Amino acid sequence: EIVMTQSPATLSVSPGERATLSCRASQSVSSYLAWYQQKPGQAPRLLIYGASTRATGIPARFSGSGSGTEFTLTISSLQSEDFAIYYCQQYNNWPTFGQGTKVEIK
Amino acid sequence: QVQLQESGPGLVKPSETLSLICTVSGYSISTGYFWGWIRQPPGKGLEWIGSIYQSGSTYYNSSLKSRVTISADTSKNQFSLKLSSVTAADTAVYYCARVLGCGTTSCYYFDSWGQGILVTVSS
Repeated sequence: EIVMTQSPATLSVSPGERATLSCRASQSVSSYLAWYQQKPGQAPRLLIYGASTRATGIPARFSGSGSGTEFTLTISSLQSEDFAIYYCQQYNNWPTFGQGTKVEIK
Repeated sequence: QVQLQESGPGLVKPSETLSLICTVSGYSISTGYFWGWIRQPPGKGLEWIGSIYQSGSTYYNSSLKSRVTISADTSKNQFSLKLSSVTAADTAVYYCARVLGCGTTSCYYFDSWGQGILVTVSS
């Protein structure tokens, strides 16, 4: 099983600031990496797939990068609706998720 | 636009079988794509349970494989999850989702999700 490790566990950011979230895989997953956003009481929403391709309807302030074992999700200017938990998921092998990064208001 | 909706009992007794149905609207499950189940214990992360293609090929998480059955009824545009011999550790919100595909060693990402259903295992 490929273990996904996200850091930090919690990120405190002011609205309008940039947020950078990290995801590391225990072995290479090439670019088979997706990011999801989950708000309280809601299902996860697909943001990014293929490490860097935004899903339909996702604002351009969300961007993904990386390959192999190191990946980054960047939110260029945090809006109020972006405060949530973010999960990465690899699909190079049977799907596994990271434990999540909570982005909270500073 | 595809929509998914989970249904089933919210309370299951230990050692019994958890049974859930996902009803899909806005897209025929017999047309294409794969369909799957993911769960999330309260306050914890996400775990893929398994996926199915139409009424045929199934793919299961190896840690749950001995207890999981996923099937589909294309005439009703539904797919279902059965998890046997449940314990308190199976208490979670269960989501159904559309999967972009599966291969021999992987299933891909999930682009549409149901709202989720909380299933509690307790006597």
